[in-house]
Amino acid sequence: QKEVEQNSGPLSVPEGAIASLNCTYSDRGSQSFFWYRQYSGKSPELIMFIYSNGDKEDGRFTAQLNKASQYVSLLIRDSQPSDSATYLCAVRGNTDKLIFGTGTRLQVFP
Amino acid sequence: DVKVTQSSRYLVKRTGEKVFLECVQDMDHENMFWYRQDPGLGLRLIYFSYDVKMKEKGDIPEGYSVSREKKERFSLILESASTNQTSMYLCASSWTGGEDEKLFFGSGTQLSVL
Repeated sequence: QKEVEQNSGPLSVPEGAIASLNCTYSDRGSQSFFWYRQYSGKSPELIMFIYSNGDKEDGRFTAQLNKASQYVSLLIRDSQPSDSATYLCAVRGNTDKLIFGTGTRLQVFP
Repeated sequence: DVKVTQSSRYLVKRTGEKVFLECVQDMDHENMFWYRQDPGLGLRLIYFSYDVKMKEKGDIPEGYSVSREKKERFSLILESASTNQTSMYLCASSWTGGEDEKLFFGSGTQLSVL
């Protein structure tokens, strides 16, 4: 079992819809959870982080964390073509290392 | 504007060559990291450093070494390049104690070993 798992996609959603990206992790002691966005040919950039169970909202982005079920998700409301990118989930576990998932490719079509 | 600068965007080397990948950050960050990114495997940590002259092995250190003689510079060394080291290499830095533990990435070096 991979430490951080994501569906590779692509996830295709129409412009204006909600995109839902999911991530599961294996280390039950994990404390910190991150979402990075990576445009094609570019480097990852941090868009959200969450430490506590529940929801955290930042503009059109909402991160959701459920430690009991060991999953974290990212919702993108009112998706735009400019949101088309690969979204990387990253988890910091007991070892204090940041473990990345392989990413989910999101395509938002007009 | 904060920056993590990697010396080369593209690099082509031959098997057996010694390869140096350089990374410089201008944000006075304590922490620096080297990752490689491969399709289907995601970002994997090679080495990291939390202080000058300090280094720690990541998840895939075999075939690599690092050097951090100055706070702003973190070098990745491929002692004897092999074809399975063909990859995108990403350097990153972060600030200890930052509320969001944000990693700042360089633009990457696409290394091809022939």
